Amino acid sequence: QVQLQESGPGLVKPSETLSLTCTVSGGPLTGYYWTWIRQPPGKGLAWIGYIFSSGITNYHPSLKSRVTISVDTSKNQFSLKLSSVTAADTAVYYCARLDIVVGEGQDYGMDVWGRGTTVTVSS
Amino acid sequence: QSVLTQPPSASGTPGQRVTISCSGSSSNIGSNSVNWYQQLPGTAPKLLIHTDNQRPSGVPDRFSGSKSGTSASLAISGLQSEDEAYYYCATWHDSLSGLHVFGTGTKVTVL
Repeated sequence: QVQLQESGPGLVKPSETLSLTCTVSGGPLTGYYWTWIRQPPGKGLAWIGYIFSSGITNYHPSLKSRVTISVDTSKNQFSLKLSSVTAADTAVYYCARLDIVVGEGQDYGMDVWGRGTTVTVSS
Repeated sequence: QSVLTQPPSASGTPGQRVTISCSGSSSNIGSNSVNWYQQLPGTAPKLLIHTDNQRPSGVPDRFSGSKSGTSASLAISGLQSEDEAYYYCATWHDSLSGLHVFGTGTKVTVL
């Protein structure tokens, strides 16, 4: 079955760029939407954005100026970059597959999740 | 802050039925389907209900979802100790090209 694995530095300095990669195994990346979600310590889930395998993106408005999600179909990976980080960006970051059909308004949910990776922003 | 409001907590004894509400608006729940996620302690969320009331393969039929107007609900019947977790509703604001939103989350405790 499809599995996702996040990878990247667990510690990022303030003002620097957080970079994470999600590797998709056991199934195709092409033809699906892929998303990033984060969860600050002791808090709820927060959506960051999504990307379709063709490269179409949609970001949370509050993060739009700092976030970039990209895809590398040759490596079966998609990535997250978040610039100018502060302590408020400290969180567990999850990648997930988003089963939606945008043109038809159909949302079947985030059906496959990675285990999550903890990122701490601190000097 | 989330635009989908859930009660912070709910509880029940084994075998009881517990219901969790998710309140939104005409721009989100009123216009789009609702999904529910279960997050067990220390683990990633898991899709529990999609498209208002559909269970993915492998999800016990003790879990059921419903929606009416601008509110949605998740019911857990025959509550079991392993159901102790956080539960989040989720939907979209306006459209699937817009903002995805999660609810504030509800901690279910099995007494």
